[in-house]
Amino acid sequence: GAVVSQHPSWVICKSGTSVKIECRSLDFQATTMFWYRQFPKQSLMLMATSNEGSKATYEQGVEKDKFLINHASLTLSTLTVTSAHPEDSSFYICSAKNLAGNPYEQYFGPGTRLTVT
Amino acid sequence: ELKVEQNPLFLSMQEGKNYTIYCNYSTTSDRLYWYRQDPGKSLESLFVLLSNGAVKQEGRLMASLDTKARLSTLHITAAVHDLSATYFCAVEKVGGGADGLTFGKGTHLIIQP
Repeated sequence: GAVVSQHPSWVICKSGTSVKIECRSLDFQATTMFWYRQFPKQSLMLMATSNEGSKATYEQGVEKDKFLINHASLTLSTLTVTSAHPEDSSFYICSAKNLAGNPYEQYFGPGTRLTVT
Repeated sequence: ELKVEQNPLFLSMQEGKNYTIYCNYSTTSDRLYWYRQDPGKSLESLFVLLSNGAVKQEGRLMASLDTKARLSTLHITAAVHDLSATYFCAVEKVGGGADGLTFGKGTHLIIQP
């Protein structure tokens, strides 16, 4: 149990276009999901906290107009990178907490590798 | 601002040896996590430590937490090649709500035969 999926697993897009990444909790409900970014050979950085039915909370330095987050249901959060640029190329990983399970555990998705050309 | 420091950042060791990775954090927290990441993959949860003095073991890995010293350790016993990976510690802010994790920079571990 407690499986989180992401789609797509990798995506290549041209500079200036937008790309949407989905994060789904497959077998549990998650009121809160988190979005992280990882540049090559670096650590994970928290971008934003996504709460079902409300606006996302962004970390300092993360542009909310560039990284649009929508948490429309208890099992789905989406991250849209708008007007992507090559510096947005990164590994994007989401995680989710299981309402009915261990409140301290975060379950990570497999990640989405974004390359902007 | 919560800061998490790991050391060493890079470790090359021989099979059969023991070693310890250290994780220090800057503010009060009693939720400490250890993850493993293989190249090109996402995170695999290893341990969740929730209280002072907590110790957990899984196979050749053992993690401990000292909240007073704000220190966690990940000890590797009789290392084997399959344990080669990058190991991250992460701390969750104690804010009463659902909080994201602040990660250390990671320890890149290479275990040579």
